[in-house]
Amino acid sequence: AQSVTQLGSHVSVSEGALVLLRCNYSSSVPPYLFWYVQYPNQGLQLLLKYTSAATLVKGINGFEAEFKKSETSFHLTKPSAHMSDAAEYFCAVSERNSGTYKYIFGTGTRLKVLA
Amino acid sequence: DGGITQSPKYLFRKEGQNVTLSCEQNLNHDAMYWYRQDPGQGLRLIYYSQIVNDFQKGDIAEGYSVSREKKESFPLTVTSAQKNPTAFYLCASIRVAGGWYEQFFGPGTRLTVL
Repeated sequence: AQSVTQLGSHVSVSEGALVLLRCNYSSSVPPYLFWYVQYPNQGLQLLLKYTSAATLVKGINGFEAEFKKSETSFHLTKPSAHMSDAAEYFCAVSERNSGTYKYIFGTGTRLKVLA
Repeated sequence: DGGITQSPKYLFRKEGQNVTLSCEQNLNHDAMYWYRQDPGQGLRLIYYSQIVNDFQKGDIAEGYSVSREKKESFPLTVTSAQKNPTAFYLCASIRVAGGWYEQFFGPGTRLTVL
């Protein structure tokens, strides 16, 4: 079965500093991987997705993630944090089984941006 | 604009009552999902439906029920059998295109049991 591990339930960075949110996955087949962002009391919004086309994936709001098969990782980065980046971030892997599509989510990382 | 709507945004329930959370989508998606979100636990799958009149239990289906009579609608009922229903509930649907699939989410319903 596929699984996702997000290291660090809380991450704090200074405004303008590098953001690095970690995600490791477990999958027996080439995975489809996703990062979502959630603001308080809202639904999840897709930041970016990996679908095997390119290992470095660029998303919205200046975020990007690199798929590293050897490390089974899909870490999310942003060169310079902005106050508006404060939110919770979820990594997810998709699973397809006999025409059924399911997602497995990590437990989330709450990003705090310090002024 | 296409999207997923959930209502109500906030819902309060007394112990022992059943409540129904609404989820509607106009994206023409076939598959729809219900998740429960608790602090520090991520999203857990309650039920999902791939087509009309068919649905499957997810990881935490006990105390919940669903129906899928129309493609656009996937209501979730939280029954009195659910022992700890206070949570944030998210509805989602999936677009399947070109061999990959992207999940879209509604804005959520926060249920509080008084």
